[in-house]
Amino acid sequence: AQSVTQPDIHITVSEGASLELRCNYSYGATPYLFWYVQSPGQGLQLLLKYFSGDTLVQGIKGFEAEFKRSQSSFNLRKPSVHWSDAAEYFCAVGAYSGGGADGLTFGKGTHLIIQP
Amino acid sequence: DAGVTQSPTHLIKTRGQQVTLRCSPKSGHDTVSWYQQALGQGPQFIFQYYEEEERQRGNFPDRFSGHQFPNYSSELNVNALLLGDSALYLCASSNPQTRYTRDTQYFGPGTRLTVL
Repeated sequence: AQSVTQPDIHITVSEGASLELRCNYSYGATPYLFWYVQSPGQGLQLLLKYFSGDTLVQGIKGFEAEFKRSQSSFNLRKPSVHWSDAAEYFCAVGAYSGGGADGLTFGKGTHLIIQP
Repeated sequence: DAGVTQSPTHLIKTRGQQVTLRCSPKSGHDTVSWYQQALGQGPQFIFQYYEEEERQRGNFPDRFSGHQFPNYSSELNVNALLLGDSALYLCASSNPQTRYTRDTQYFGPGTRLTVL
């Protein structure tokens, strides 16, 4: 069974500083990977996804993530954060069983706090 | 283009009661997945419906059941509610364009269920 670990429960970053959120996964085959963001009381918004190909993927709102198979990681980065980036961030891994996307396995999330 | 919609927004029930939550998928999507998100946790996969049948199920008891209608909308039913069922219930839709295409799940805003 697959699993996802987000080692940082909370991260505090100053506005304008760079950001990296860590994600490690466990999956026996080639995974497909996602980062979602959740604002308080809201559903999940897709930031970016990796299925195959280029290991550096670009997403919305200036986010990017790099897939490193050797480290089983899929870390999310942003060069300069804005106060509006304060939210909960979830990394997820998906399996594929030939009939479409299987249910996703999520990490516990990282709460991002932006300091003025 | 309407995204994934869920109803109701909030719901309060007492232990032992039964509840039905509803989801309408994004236009053009035919697969619906349900997730439970407890406070401070990542979403957990409950089950997925495709072609009106349960295609995959996570580690949830059979008190949790569902249905998919011909128009692809879906219901989640929970019987004999427990205090621990209090959570945000998220619906996600996806559309595998072929049986062998990896696809992305798009989430609705969720239904907040409180069990007293």
